Amino acid sequence: EVQLLESGGGLVQPGGSLRLSCAASGFTFSSYAMSWVRQAPGKGLEWVSAISGSGGSTYYADSVKGRFTISRDNSKNTLYLQMNSLRAEDTAVYYCAKRMVQGVIITCVDYWGQGTLVTVSS
Amino acid sequence: EIVMTQSPATLSVSPGERATLSCRASQSVSSNLAWYQQKPGQAPRLLIYGASTRATGIPARFSGSGSGTEFTLTISSLQSEDFAVYYCQQYNNWPEAFGPGTKVDIK
Repeated sequence: EVQLLESGGGLVQPGGSLRLSCAASGFTFSSYAMSWVRQAPGKGLEWVSAISGSGGSTYYADSVKGRFTISRDNSKNTLYLQMNSLRAEDTAVYYCAKRMVQGVIITCVDYWGQGTLVTVSS
Repeated sequence: EIVMTQSPATLSVSPGERATLSCRASQSVSSNLAWYQQKPGQAPRLLIYGASTRATGIPARFSGSGSGTEFTLTISSLQSEDFAVYYCQQYNNWPEAFGPGTKVDIK
C-alpha cells in the first residue's frame, strides 16, 4: 500500500524558513517523480514543484522560484521542500504527491499525502 | 502557460440524478487531462486520467470524455458520497495547471 506522510509544517514569521518532509513507502520511490502541491485555505489546488526520480530534474511554479527548493533522498525514501523567504501568501496545506507513470515527470498524480499546514504570520 | 477553466462553479444535483461538469483548456492539452475529487478535510483523489480512463477502484458511474481543449466529467447517478469538489488538471506541459474546481452539492 502506497503511503505518503508529510511533516514539518507549522507557524513561521514572514521572511522565515521551513523544511517540509514526506516519507514514502509501498512503492519503488526512486522510480517515480514526486511533487508538492499546495492549497490555500478555502482555495483551489496549486502546483508548487516537481522532481524526477533521480533528482536530476526539477520544476518550480513562478510563484516560488528562487525561494523554494525541492530535493529527495532515495536512500531514505524521503522527499523534501525547503521554503525560504516565506510570505503570507504561502500559507496553505502542502501535499506530497506521487506521479503516476514510472520515469515520467509530467504526468498526473495517483497518490496524495494528507497534507501539512504551513502558516506564515507575524 | 495554459489556463484551465471549469463550469459551473457550483452544481446543485439531487441524489440519483446525472451531473455533467465541464473543463476547458486555453490551448490544446491533447488527452493529458485528469479529474480529481476532493472532500472537505481530505486530500484529492484521482478519478480519471488520459481524459477518459478511470483510475483504480473508481466506480463506473464516473466517466470522462473530450480531447484538445474541451473535456467533460459525467457522474451518471449521484450517490451521497459523490458530493464534493471536482478539479481538472492538464499535464501536457509544465507548469501543470488545475482548474478552479466545481462544487457538487445537494439540491
